Amino acid sequence: QKEVEQNSGPLSVPEGAIASLNCTYSDRGSQSFFWYRQYSGKSPELIMFIYSNGDKEDGRFTAQLNKASQYVSLLIRDSQPSDSATYLCAVRAGGNEKLTFGTGTRLTIIP
Amino acid sequence: DGGITQSPKYLFRKEGQNVTLSCEQNLNHDAMYWYRQDPGQGLRLIYYSQIVNDFQKGDIAEGYSVSREKKESFPLTVTSAQKNPTAFYLCASKGTGARIPIAKNIQYFGAGTRLSVL
Repeated sequence: QKEVEQNSGPLSVPEGAIASLNCTYSDRGSQSFFWYRQYSGKSPELIMFIYSNGDKEDGRFTAQLNKASQYVSLLIRDSQPSDSATYLCAVRAGGNEKLTFGTGTRLTIIP
Repeated sequence: DGGITQSPKYLFRKEGQNVTLSCEQNLNHDAMYWYRQDPGQGLRLIYYSQIVNDFQKGDIAEGYSVSREKKESFPLTVTSAQKNPTAFYLCASKGTGARIPIAKNIQYFGAGTRLSVL
């Protein structure tokens, strides 16, 4: 069983719509959750992190965390073609300096 | 200009050859990491180091070696024992410690090195 699971996609969303990306994790001791965006051929860049249950908003991005159900999601409002990328979910257990990454979801925004 | 510098950007390895990938950071981060990424895959941890002169194996350490003689530098050697080295290699760093601000407890990545076999 994979520790961090994501739907690999591709996920196609019309421009201007809401893109919803999901991630589930198996370790109940996980405490920190990160979303990285990776353009083709480039390195990952952090776009959101969340530690507490509930929603965290930053511009067009909202991260949602539900520890009881062991999932974290990323919503992208008013999707733009520049949002087309692979989105990696990463999880860190408490007191652990390592991150565990999912395989990523490839998102395509259709103009 | 603070950041993480990986070099070279592209590297080619001949059969039986060891090659070394460089990673340097000037962010004053204690922890440094090496990941491997294969096409369509997530990141897999090779080695990590939380302090100078100490490092730990990650999930796929076989065929790789590292050193951490300086805080700023964490080179990765891909040895001839690694039979399938073609991949995108990413170095990352972050601050450590229980009292660091949350915003500093984040891994940042270098631009990566793409390794291919001749």
